[in-house]
Amino acid sequence: DAGVTQSPTHLIKTRGQQVTLRCSPISGHKSVSWYQQVLGQGPQFIFQYYEKEERGRGNFPDRFSARQFPNYSSELNVNALLLGDSALYLCASSFGVGPRYGYTFGSGTRLTVV
Amino acid sequence: AQSVSQHNHHVILSEAASLELGCNYSYGGTVNLFWYVQYPGQHLQLLLKYFSGDPLVKGIKGFEAEFIKSKFSFNLRKPSVQWSDTAEYFCAVNADTGKLIFGQGTTLQVKP
Repeated sequence: DAGVTQSPTHLIKTRGQQVTLRCSPISGHKSVSWYQQVLGQGPQFIFQYYEKEERGRGNFPDRFSARQFPNYSSELNVNALLLGDSALYLCASSFGVGPRYGYTFGSGTRLTVV
Repeated sequence: AQSVSQHNHHVILSEAASLELGCNYSYGGTVNLFWYVQYPGQHLQLLLKYFSGDPLVKGIKGFEAEFIKSKFSFNLRKPSVQWSDTAEYFCAVNADTGKLIFGQGTTLQVKP
């Protein structure tokens, strides 16, 4: 059974550009969450989606947006990239929302902004 | 606001030594607590979790953690570490939504 898959695995972008990161959840999981992990820090929550609706948003600027598709896959978009957006972006899927659902993380997309 | 603090940023141990990684959280209500591990080049994996009941929880690979409500702590322990335990360890709390709040992580290096 496939785990959470993220694409691409690595990405280099220039300041000011836009980027789209993709995530496919585990089959049967209806919720997808996005996290940003800056080097030397723990992951920080960006968004959670469930059944195509946004269920939570972290403290990130409006340059960050996301959506979930009918097949439960998700995209994270970041506009007007800054050097500080360089990080590992993690996707986690779960069957539902709420504190007690287990989360499975993908391996992440390493974004470098130059 | 909820927060998680991990006291040790970098721990170096010899094989067979005992391990204890500290984790404190700030939240006055009911919390769900987790420890995740990230092996080099791999994705985050759940080690163990606490929701309610017995405050001593056992996880995979011989790890355990104890929830002490009065101290707002959830420390991770292992009696005897192995070289393969070299990894980064994250404590996380989830209080009211699906959002996980992570600590900054502890890098564990086990010398063979």
